Amino acid sequence: DTAVSQTPKYLVTQMGNDKSIKCEQNLGHDTMYWYKQDSKKFLKIMFSYNNKELIINETVPNRFSPKSPDKAHLNLHINSLELGDSAVYFCASSQVDGTDTQYFGPGTRLTVL
Amino acid sequence: EDQVTQSPEALRLQEGESSSLNCSYTVSGLRGLFWYRQDPGKGPEFLFTLYSAGEEKEKERLKATLTKKESFLHITAPKPEDSATYLCAVEDSGAGSYQLTFGKGTKLSVIP
Repeated sequence: DTAVSQTPKYLVTQMGNDKSIKCEQNLGHDTMYWYKQDSKKFLKIMFSYNNKELIINETVPNRFSPKSPDKAHLNLHINSLELGDSAVYFCASSQVDGTDTQYFGPGTRLTVL
Repeated sequence: EDQVTQSPEALRLQEGESSSLNCSYTVSGLRGLFWYRQDPGKGPEFLFTLYSAGEEKEKERLKATLTKKESFLHITAPKPEDSATYLCAVEDSGAGSYQLTFGKGTKLSVIP
């Protein structure tokens, strides 16, 4: 039973397009996250979100926006894609109850041509 | 700003040759230090959480320890299946956002 799932696994698109990546967790967690892993494999937080607040890393362009239809889903929308957006994007979730362990999805490899 | 530095960047071991990976960190207040394993093409897989200096946790051939400035991941008698990138991350109690700051990882290769 997959705990954190993402679709699609691979996404290839042209510069300037708008795309979305979906994330779902079945762990009953209250907080979800998006991370970006660049070509050097460095994993960096983009957003954290629970039903109370959205925290955005200040370095994330406003072309990126998370949208949460419900507690189990946090989708990532990207407008006007640029070459530099090519990376692997990971969704994660946690229950903020003192343990805070984050569980990661399998990743979405985005390639912008 | 939180900082996490992992060393070495890459480590090549013979099967059975024990070693340690280092994670040094700077945070205003440590809420937790996390170790993850990442295989190629996959998401990070949770290994351990450490919360306070002196704490140790073990799982099979892995043992994680924590001091006020660094954490070690000790690998005893490694096997080829232990080959992966090991990531260290910290959660800052002062950040208020539960976000993790990751190091760049140590790529471990265990040769049969």
